[in-house]
Amino acid sequence: QSVLTQPPSVSGAPGQRVTISCTGSSSNIGASYDVHWYQQLPGTAPKLLIYGNSNRPSGVPDRFSGSKSGTSASLAISGLQAEDEADYYCQSYDSSLSAWVFGGGTKLTVL
Amino acid sequence: QITLKESGLTLVKPTQTLTLTCTVSGFSLSTSGVGVGWIRQPPGKALEWLALTYWGDDKRYSPSLKSRLTISKDTSKNQVVLTMTNMDPVDTATYYCAHFPYSSGWHFDYWGQGTLVTVSS
Repeated sequence: QSVLTQPPSVSGAPGQRVTISCTGSSSNIGASYDVHWYQQLPGTAPKLLIYGNSNRPSGVPDRFSGSKSGTSASLAISGLQAEDEADYYCQSYDSSLSAWVFGGGTKLTVL
Repeated sequence: QITLKESGLTLVKPTQTLTLTCTVSGFSLSTSGVGVGWIRQPPGKALEWLALTYWGDDKRYSPSLKSRLTISKDTSKNQVVLTMTNMDPVDTATYYCAHFPYSSGWHFDYWGQGTLVTVSS
C-alpha cells in the first residue's frame, strides 16, 4: 500500500490528452512538499519528467505538464504519442514517516 | 555530464548481506547541496526509496528497513555504498542509485541503469 495513491492504469488514443492523479495526505502533498513525476519506459530506469510540481527538466516536451492542489497532484500528457506508453510514478516527501515516498505507479497505454 | 552506475553481487543467498556500490561521475560527493539515494523496484512492482546520503555526513533511511540498511560514501573514490543485512527472497529487486539535488528540490534527477539482485538459495 503506497503512501501516494495513483490509478493503476490509464489509456488514450494518439493525439488525445490524459491525466494521471496522485493523491496524498496532510503529511506529504498537503504539507506543501513538492511533487515530482517520473517516466519509466519498459526495461529502463526511471527518468525525471516533472519536478517541483510543474517544472520540466531540459529536453522534456511541453506536452507534459504537472499541477498540484491541496493533497493531490496531477500529470497531464497532451497530444498523446505511442512513445509515451510507459509507467509513471509520482514522488514526494512525507514528514510523518520522515521518508521520500513514491506512488504505486500508473501504466499508460496508447490505444 | 552526471552519470551513476551500480555494481555488486547479483545473486545472494537468504540471510546474507548485500553490498552495492554506486560509482558517480560528473559531480563531487563533497559538493554542497548534493546527495545520492538508493531506490529499489521488485519485478513488476513500484519504486521504493531505501536510503539517502547528503553533503556532509547526513544520512536518512526508510523507516521500514532502517535496522537493515547502512549507507556510506567514499568521496575520494566517488562511490556510495549501500549494505542490506539479512536478505530475504522478498528483497529481490532492481536496485537503483540516483543523484539528489537537495538544494534545488527533493527529487532524483539522474539515475543509474540499475542492477537486478536476486535472493535465492
